[in-house]
Amino acid sequence: GAVVSQHPSWVICKSGTSVKIECRSLDFQATTMFWYRQFPKQSLMLMATSNEGSKATYEQGVEKDKFLINHASLTLSTLTVTSAHPEDSSFYICSANAADRGYGYTFGSGTRLTVV
Amino acid sequence: AQRVTQPEKLLSVFKGAPVELKCNYSYSGSPELFWYVQYSRQRLQLLLRHISRESIKGFTADLNKGETSFHLKKPFAQEEDSAMYYCALLGGGYNKLIFGAGTRLAVHP
Repeated sequence: GAVVSQHPSWVICKSGTSVKIECRSLDFQATTMFWYRQFPKQSLMLMATSNEGSKATYEQGVEKDKFLINHASLTLSTLTVTSAHPEDSSFYICSANAADRGYGYTFGSGTRLTVV
Repeated sequence: AQRVTQPEKLLSVFKGAPVELKCNYSYSGSPELFWYVQYSRQRLQLLLRHISRESIKGFTADLNKGETSFHLKKPFAQEEDSAMYYCALLGGGYNKLIFGAGTRLAVHP
């Protein structure tokens, strides 16, 4: 199969601290990964496109300095929420394109972030 | 602008009834469309894609370019079909997926 592993599955942090979320493609290489944010009972909103070896491409309205993305290898992308505030509390989901494996876009299980 | 519209937030039917989840899109090029499903406490997973013209779990979807629609249909709903369904469009740079707002399907016994 084409599996995307996302960690942690949930995290609680204090306001002002930073949180790192990892997204790994376990059995395929992903030059491009995507980070989404999902509010309760709402759809997935694309935050940014993570490109291996280069800078991420952010969607309009997403703060680059708040949501740092690093895609250092073909199997790992990280999203760091810096100086987190309660309004950053949300469900974050990553995705990778496993089209080469015939699986299309594969999603991680998501990370629920709660900032207190 | 690229956009996916799912007009219904909730669709509630009885077991055995036909189901149609609506999806309309806006895209200037040749669209590639998908339906994703998210069962309770599970990750998002691909249900079907229009280029495959396949039927998965009894669901089908036909791309209608004239009406810019990609509605998801199933003739006889089952209780296990209860889930969130998202229509998605592949487009833009880096082939990013644009999602609709989602429709919750509730199938009652």
